[in-house]
Amino acid sequence: DGGITQSPKYLFRKEGQNVTLSCEQNLNHDAMYWYRQDPGQGLRLIYYSQIVNDFQKGDIAEGYSVSREKKESFPLTVTSAQKNPTAFYLCASSGDRDGIPYEQYFGPGTRLTVT
Amino acid sequence: AQSVTQLDSQVPVFEEAPVELRCNYSSSVSVYLFWYVQYPNQGLQLLLKYLSGSTLVKGINGFEAEFNKSQTSFHLRKPSVHISDTAEYFCAVSDVGNQGGKLIFGQGTELSVKP
Repeated sequence: DGGITQSPKYLFRKEGQNVTLSCEQNLNHDAMYWYRQDPGQGLRLIYYSQIVNDFQKGDIAEGYSVSREKKESFPLTVTSAQKNPTAFYLCASSGDRDGIPYEQYFGPGTRLTVT
Repeated sequence: AQSVTQLDSQVPVFEEAPVELRCNYSSSVSVYLFWYVQYPNQGLQLLLKYLSGSTLVKGINGFEAEFNKSQTSFHLRKPSVHISDTAEYFCAVSDVGNQGGKLIFGQGTELSVKP
């Protein structure tokens, strides 16, 4: 089945440690996204990538880093510089047809808790 | 798109009653519009989308939405809700021609269906 996988589902880390969240898609989509979700704040864009080896900052990129070495993969690293990293993280991907975008498809999410 | 406002943070409703979840947006250009649903601790699933054409859009699970350009609204409706519709619903907007297909999300509406 085609889709997006995120691992792990739950992740616990000590303050001061970097942590990498995995996102893999087999939908052959060019674009991939990372969002952060906090209660009552909707989804906020962290980083996005339209093509391999290229990515752009979203609205809340500080304290995060990404890479896009393969079309299928878009890992997110939450660094120790992120002041409030505890949140639910969602990865998404999208393609387009003749310049009209498909909707974004979402993974199941990773809940990160930092203590 | 510059912003998306979901006018109700919580909507309680009895089973088999109709429901409307309201969404307004602001943008200086033409937009694409989406409604997503999120069940607890899961990713987002697309309910329906408006790209062009008929302003009345039908989606999954019996939901529909109407695009009103003059009022910059895209309200979601269902004539008779079920307990299983209890979830959080997000309205999202993307500018036509927006590079990267970025979405701007509303803050979400929690729909609670009571027996």
